[in-house]
Amino acid sequence: DAKTTQPNSMESNEEEPVHLPCNHSTISGTDYIHWYRQLPSQGPEYVIHGLTSNVNNRMASLAIAEDRKSSTLILHRATLRDAAVYYCILRDVGGANSKLTFGKGITLSVRP
Amino acid sequence: EPEVTQTPSHQVTQMGQEVILRCVPISNHLYFYWYRQILGQKVEFLVSFYNNEISEKSEIFDDQFSVERPDGSNFTLKIRSTKLEDSAMYFCASSQPLAKNIQYFGAGTRLSVL
Repeated sequence: DAKTTQPNSMESNEEEPVHLPCNHSTISGTDYIHWYRQLPSQGPEYVIHGLTSNVNNRMASLAIAEDRKSSTLILHRATLRDAAVYYCILRDVGGANSKLTFGKGITLSVRP
Repeated sequence: EPEVTQTPSHQVTQMGQEVILRCVPISNHLYFYWYRQILGQKVEFLVSFYNNEISEKSEIFDDQFSVERPDGSNFTLKIRSTKLEDSAMYFCASSQPLAKNIQYFGAGTRLSVL
């Protein structure tokens, strides 16, 4: 799997939007961009994924750069429960059961 | 909402003992995985399993490890002779046979080897 680069940490205030960046300059044309998060003392949890177009779901939005070399996970209104480690992971579209390769992720802290 | 269930939540064992970690994947999923996370470190892939066979395994998954789907619902990870360095959180995950392959994780089993 191609490598991603994320900042180590970020702080936000409750009820404010949060933009979590991810760089993936070596992304291939068949790589999906996946985001997972891990709340304290829990297993990883799927957040969102995309290929080329921006994506929205009930948890977050994913903004993908036109050249696909970077992406941003957007939490529209951070809550205390959103404090977690967020992982940006690239996965080949043909890898139906391929592993997830986790990096260190970005630790999001949310201030009340 | 369907979820992956892991038991026990915490397992304490003596070095050299065998342990079996159990997982009940989501019922209509066909792909199964084990990952582990040593305290303070990254989540690491151990093994993937499909159609009663190992699809892929990492270097960590040596001869001391084995996986099994003994019936239609359970998926187990066995460590034959535990070492101190096996102490970690072990996560089971499952997914449907779709290209987007969202993996759903259990809450994990904390293994403490004394």
